[in-house]
This record gives sequence, C-alpha cells and structure tokens, in this order.
Amino acid sequence: EPEVTQTPSHQVTQMGQEVILRCVPISNHLYFYWYRQILGQKVEFLVSFYNNEISEKSEIFDDQFSVERPDGSNFTLKIRSTKLEDSAMYFCASTRQASGEKLFFGSGTQLSVL
Amino acid sequence: RKEVEQDPGPFNVPEGATVAFNCTYSNSASQSFFWYRQDCRKEPKLLMSVYSSGNEDGRFTAQLNRASQYISLLIRDSKLSDSATYLCVVTFGAGNNRKLIWGLGTSLAVNP
Repeated sequence: EPEVTQTPSHQVTQMGQEVILRCVPISNHLYFYWYRQILGQKVEFLVSFYNNEISEKSEIFDDQFSVERPDGSNFTLKIRSTKLEDSAMYFCASTRQASGEKLFFGSGTQLSVL
Repeated sequence: RKEVEQDPGPFNVPEGATVAFNCTYSNSASQSFFWYRQDCRKEPKLLMSVYSSGNEDGRFTAQLNRASQYISLLIRDSKLSDSATYLCVVTFGAGNNRKLIWGLGTSLAVNP
C-alpha cells in the first residue's frame, strides 16, 4: 500500500529556533493536511492544503506556522520560533479527494522543544 | 457539549470478551462517521466507516444512531492485538469545506 513519509521521526530543538517538518504525500493525492497530537491529548487539526494554497487552518495555526509545497512531492510545515507548548507529535496526512473517506497518515514527527 | 465525546476508558477486558464503545456528537448536520485505531505513539489508521445501516467487518461492528446522535463500535472475541486507542471521527461540510472532528479516543487494553 502506498505510504505517506515523514522526516525526521524525532526532532529536538531549543525554544525560539525554527524547525521544518517534512512530508512526502502519496503521489496521486491532491489534499494535504497537518495535524498535531500533544501527549495524552486528542488529534488536533492544523491546516489543509489544496491546489498550492491553504484551504483551511485552525486557531492553532498562527503566524508562527507556515506550509509549503516547494516541489511536486514535498509538503513542509515550518514553525518559525518554537515554543515549549509546540512539543507534540506532528502528523501529515493526504487524501485523493476532499470528500475521500480515508486519510492516509504518515508515521509522525515527534517534536520536542527544550 | 463537546463536538465529539468519547469515554476515555481505559477499558480492561480479558481475551475473548466482547466490548463496546460509544461516541456522541453534537452537530446534527454531521454527515460521515469513522472509527480510527491508534496504537501508542503511532499514526491513526482507519478501522472502518460507519453507515446508517450499520456495517460489520469480521469481529468489528459499527452502528450509527442519527436520532440520538451517537455511533458505536462493538468488538467481539477480543484479541491481545486489539489493544489500542479507538478514535471516533465525525465530518460535516462538503468538498474543500469538509471538516473532520476527532474525539479524544477510548483506550482498550485486552489482557491474557
């Protein structure tokens, strides 16, 4: 089965530093998402991306966050100045159709902000 | 009332037991319903969609009750490998405006 790939699997950074989390969605998928999950809490939507632009973002996705699809395969999440509360597991997901039932998730990047 | 609410558990059951989870949702306009499974510190994976007529996949049965706004998941003959967190997901809207609302999850531990 095709997979969504995320790198790195773990990222440790100092507060205030910039981080870039990388994702390679499934090749024929058109809709891309970032979610995060703080340890012990629920999966939280950050942003959805379609046709090279953000289609929706949550309150969490403030000016410190940005997404890019710099080429035909990568989909990145940048956090400009990390805060302690950004520590979480970040999941990338993709789907072929917006109304598609199945979200394909990557295995996640565990971000630890010290 | 939370948009999607689940009993967090944990549910501790012996192998072979039957266990059922409920999930309630607040938005009556919700359109699609899913159960995802999440293993510890892993990504969520779709377990099954939930249809109005109910659906079954092996040992797993999902039901939807629109009138009472809840969905359920029944696991029969539970296995050790069923130990995981089960996430209820509810959607509303269509196309690019489709929103997925995730529950907190119900933790299941199947014991030998």
